[in-house]
Amino acid sequence: NAGVTQTPKFQVLKTGQSMTLQCAQDMNHNSMYWYRQDPGMGLRLIYYSASEGTTDKGEVPNGYNVSRLNKREFSLRLESAAPSQTSVYFCASSDEVFIETQYFGPGTRLLVL
Amino acid sequence: GESVGLHLPTLSVQEGDNSIINCAYSNSASDYFIWYKQESGKGPQFIIDIRSNMDKRQGQRVTVLLNKTVKHLSLQIAATQPGDSAVYFCAENPYNQGGKLIFGQGTELSVKP
Repeated sequence: NAGVTQTPKFQVLKTGQSMTLQCAQDMNHNSMYWYRQDPGMGLRLIYYSASEGTTDKGEVPNGYNVSRLNKREFSLRLESAAPSQTSVYFCASSDEVFIETQYFGPGTRLLVL
Repeated sequence: GESVGLHLPTLSVQEGDNSIINCAYSNSASDYFIWYKQESGKGPQFIIDIRSNMDKRQGQRVTVLLNKTVKHLSLQIAATQPGDSAVYFCAENPYNQGGKLIFGQGTELSVKP
């Protein structure tokens, strides 16, 4: 049982490049989330998916898109990366009973030059 | 909004002492609160939670206290160990917001041997 996994662990992009961050969970959770964490700050919600087939904006959605591919996978896409998107990105999931208790992946460190 | 590069509040304690980490939450309608521990280079890890109909909840070596009157949450760690060194985040779940969490800035706990 791996929990929440994220790929890649680390990525360097040039301004304007695109990339997709992958997230998968094996806990059969309905809800999945994408956060970003900037130095010295808490996590801010980018997008979330309450269930397969649905996605909603969080606090900081601009510059990102998401896809809930199936119940297990939730991807985050940067269409045209900007230096302001340099951050650590965390994916999380929660089940429908204890929906607020989120389990986090190890993170993807993204540097945009 | 928050500024990039803020220094985290820090708490330094001696090994074996008790630690108290405080958090002020923002939304009086929040009815669920969680403490997470984040070690360097890892994702946040669930420690303990509490619902708004409780004032206190105990776990293994940890206790969470909730004061709804002043919107204050605290995490007490008994007999602090070097392995407790990490950044600790409180998070609140506003009522009727599904699984959405609002995270605090975090406090860095440093345990001196």
